[in-house]
Amino acid sequence: ETGVTQSPTHLIKTRGQQVTLRCSSQSGHNTVSWYQQALGQGPQFIFQYYREEENGRGNFPPRFSGLQFPNYSSELNVNALELDDSALYLCASSRQGSNQPQHFGDGTRLSIL
Amino acid sequence: AQSVAQPEDQVNVAEGNPLTVKCTYSVSGNPYLFWYVQYPNRGLQFLLKYITGDNLVKGSYGFEAEFNKSQTSFHLKKPSALVSDSALYFCAVWGANAGKSTFGDGTTLTVKP
Repeated sequence: ETGVTQSPTHLIKTRGQQVTLRCSSQSGHNTVSWYQQALGQGPQFIFQYYREEENGRGNFPPRFSGLQFPNYSSELNVNALELDDSALYLCASSRQGSNQPQHFGDGTRLSIL
Repeated sequence: AQSVAQPEDQVNVAEGNPLTVKCTYSVSGNPYLFWYVQYPNRGLQFLLKYITGDNLVKGSYGFEAEFNKSQTSFHLKKPSALVSDSALYFCAVWGANAGKSTFGDGTTLTVKP
């Protein structure tokens, strides 16, 4: 089965710009979650999508937004980039259900200059 | 608010010795608990989960974890460590009230030959 893939792997942006990160779910998975992992920290939950609807959100401002498509792939959009947005962004897919393990992609390393 | 604490930033063990990586949690209601491992420049990989039932959970690569409700702990263990076990380990909890997963800040395990 195909695992979770994320693109791009690395990205450099400047403050104020906008960015879109992409994620393809593992086959058979209909739930996608996005996380921000700063250096030396654990992943911080941004939001989750299920059946193309946002299904939970962490403590991130509205300039972090997302989409899920009918094929369960997903996008994370961040507007008005700030220096503190520099981090590894991880996408994780799972089958429906809170007790299901998440399968993570290798992430997108975003650097803000 | 739910939380996860991994009290040790670093655990060092000799190859062949038993290892323990500690995790305590705080959550409303019954917890769903997970352990993940992260290798450099990679996403997180699922190791094992506790949902209900037997307090000793067995997972991938010979790892197991012991759920202790009274101590709100979910420590990761392995009877005999391998050098290849060296990695960053994350404990996570999912709580129904929060509707999301919360990760600890990780513990770096180093196994020396």
